[in-house]
Amino acid sequence: NAGVTQTPKFQVLKTGQSMTLQCAQDMNHNSMYWYRQDPGMGLRLIYYSASEGTTDKGEVPNGYNVSRLNKREFSLRLESAAPSQTSVYFCASRTSGRNEQFFGPGTRLTVL
Amino acid sequence: TQLLEQSPQFLSIQEGENLTVYCNSSSVFSSLQWYRQEPGEGPVLLVTVVTGGEVKKLKRLTFQFGDARKDSSLHITAAQPGDTGLYLCAGGDNAGNNRKLIWGLGTSLAVNP
Repeated sequence: NAGVTQTPKFQVLKTGQSMTLQCAQDMNHNSMYWYRQDPGMGLRLIYYSASEGTTDKGEVPNGYNVSRLNKREFSLRLESAAPSQTSVYFCASRTSGRNEQFFGPGTRLTVL
Repeated sequence: TQLLEQSPQFLSIQEGENLTVYCNSSSVFSSLQWYRQEPGEGPVLLVTVVTGGEVKKLKRLTFQFGDARKDSSLHITAAQPGDTGLYLCAGGDNAGNNRKLIWGLGTSLAVNP
């Protein structure tokens, strides 16, 4: 089992460019999450998907969109990147019942 | 708004020392989890506690959930350099189907050889 995988691992964008961060899990989890992690701010929830076909906003959704493509895949899109979106992005999936989350290795994004 | 406060924010100790980190809230949680995050990687779940007063041990790590389910502690005995990392606590809220976690900001631990 690969667990949660994310691509790319690193990315540099110019202001205004767009990109999609990919996430996939092979644990048959229903719920998936996108977080960003910034120094001094901790992990902040961007969007989550409680089940295939549903998505909901988290704490900091502005500037982002998501797609739950199927049960395995949950992508995060930046339509017009801004320097404030420079961060480390983590995808996670959750076991049912115990609310335990499993994280991918992260994508380190720099927006110039 | 539910908040989890972790203390200390930073901790630097010598190999072999003992330490305790704390996770406190004014809110009651249905469960509380501890994660460790190493540089350049995602958080990894260490333990989940669900019952007030519960104590769990993972080798040299001892986790306790407060009786009122508002706080938790992590005690490390005889710390080793491999324990270095960011320790995050997260509280579970089972309201509805959202199942979101409330995250603390973490304790950054450095264990020096």
